[in-house]
Amino acid sequence: SQQGEEDPQALSIQEGENATMNCSYKTSINNLQWYRQNSGRGLVHLILIRSNEREKHSGRLRVTLDTSKKSSSLLITASRAADTASYFCATGRIQGAQKLVFGQGTRLTINP
Amino acid sequence: DGGITQSPKYLFRKEGQNVTLSCEQNLNHDAMYWYRQDPGQGLRLIYYSQIVNDFQKGDIAEGYSVSREKKESFPLTVTSAQKNPTAFYLCASSIRHNYGYTFGSGTRLTVV
Repeated sequence: SQQGEEDPQALSIQEGENATMNCSYKTSINNLQWYRQNSGRGLVHLILIRSNEREKHSGRLRVTLDTSKKSSSLLITASRAADTASYFCATGRIQGAQKLVFGQGTRLTINP
Repeated sequence: DGGITQSPKYLFRKEGQNVTLSCEQNLNHDAMYWYRQDPGQGLRLIYYSQIVNDFQKGDIAEGYSVSREKKESFPLTVTSAQKNPTAFYLCASSIRHNYGYTFGSGTRLTVV
């Protein structure tokens, strides 16, 4: 059962532009996390935002969370070729099984 | 350096064979997880363990088995009952629920 749904499924932009990816979810959450996956590799944890937070920054990453709309966005500023990867959101639920549930991911391509 | 190690990187299985994928972590994390990823898809949870000698089924546990005899180790066996095992398998660990996950580099399993 997939909780998060990323939008768009694929995004292609020019190097230097900003990239925005969105995530929607269905149930109440404790936190929402974003991960990056380079092709054929494991996932790398980028940032975690808790349900009582609205915005969080880490370097060129900015994450927002709107619990009333059950949605989050990940903004990557001044994109670089090395940012080419798939990006996944994952939600930690308040109740139920103690596990993260991942979305389908957004495939981001940065063109030089 | 602390981390999580999966082996082998590539694994080939004949029809009717059981195979075991290794996952070891030296992060002193309590929780460990196994996910399956099919091409272009998100992650689906197979099994997870919050503590030694205890584990729970995830969303797609049929045809798989696990053990958690040591805190550091969480091996996954893909049995002959799993009819479509060809996939990318990812192991992860976390200090506890609702914290970020650390992923291994994955095992690509192919049925020949």
